[in-house]
Amino acid sequence: DSGVTQTPKHLITATGQRVTLRCSPRSGDLSVYWYQQSLDQGLQFLIQYYNGEERAKGNILERFSAQQFPDLHSELNLSSLELGDSALYFCASGDLQETQYFGPGTRLLVL
Amino acid sequence: AQKVTQAQTEISVVEKEDVTLDCVYETRDTTYYLFWYKQPPSGELVFLIRRNSFDEQNEISGRYSWNFQKSTSSFNFTITASQVVDSAVYFCALIRTSGTYKYIFGTGTRLKVLA
Repeated sequence: DSGVTQTPKHLITATGQRVTLRCSPRSGDLSVYWYQQSLDQGLQFLIQYYNGEERAKGNILERFSAQQFPDLHSELNLSSLELGDSALYFCASGDLQETQYFGPGTRLLVL
Repeated sequence: AQKVTQAQTEISVVEKEDVTLDCVYETRDTTYYLFWYKQPPSGELVFLIRRNSFDEQNEISGRYSWNFQKSTSSFNFTITASQVVDSAVYFCALIRTSGTYKYIFGTGTRLKVLA
């Protein structure tokens, strides 16, 4: 158990809908990272927050947004969902040496 | 540009065999971190090791060992006396921490250990 929690574990929704994925980092970690893992794209870095501020941005679509709250939990919002957004979404929290500890993931299925 | 290449898509070995997973990276940075993660069938990514670019010392942890060679831009992972529980997808990753932060994962190597 990495100490990172993600909810929900599974999510099934329809095209065009909006969903919110939630992540709570390990105690003491200030960084939160979001990744998308799909069969054809591998593990893709989306975005990183450090102590409430955006620190790095990867291949995140404009339809996706994220934020980190004062209590350090983070949410990833996915809107106008398409079939291709079906994937496993991971959250990770990081220590000062940039080691990332991953949560169990949220499996999103868009029908 | 930064890149991580794991050329071995899938490897199958018989239990108790030794196996090496290759990782080759590209970066022009002098400061960076390299990582290995394991993703078992349950799906969660498990941290195995971190190396910073200034530490080329090889590391051994039980049956696992890592060989970091800057001269060949490689960070290979060897499992000695493999076990069925080692069956998983293994990812190598490069993290750039100077300038624009970048987090790049390789495409992974699926290891199957047969009983």
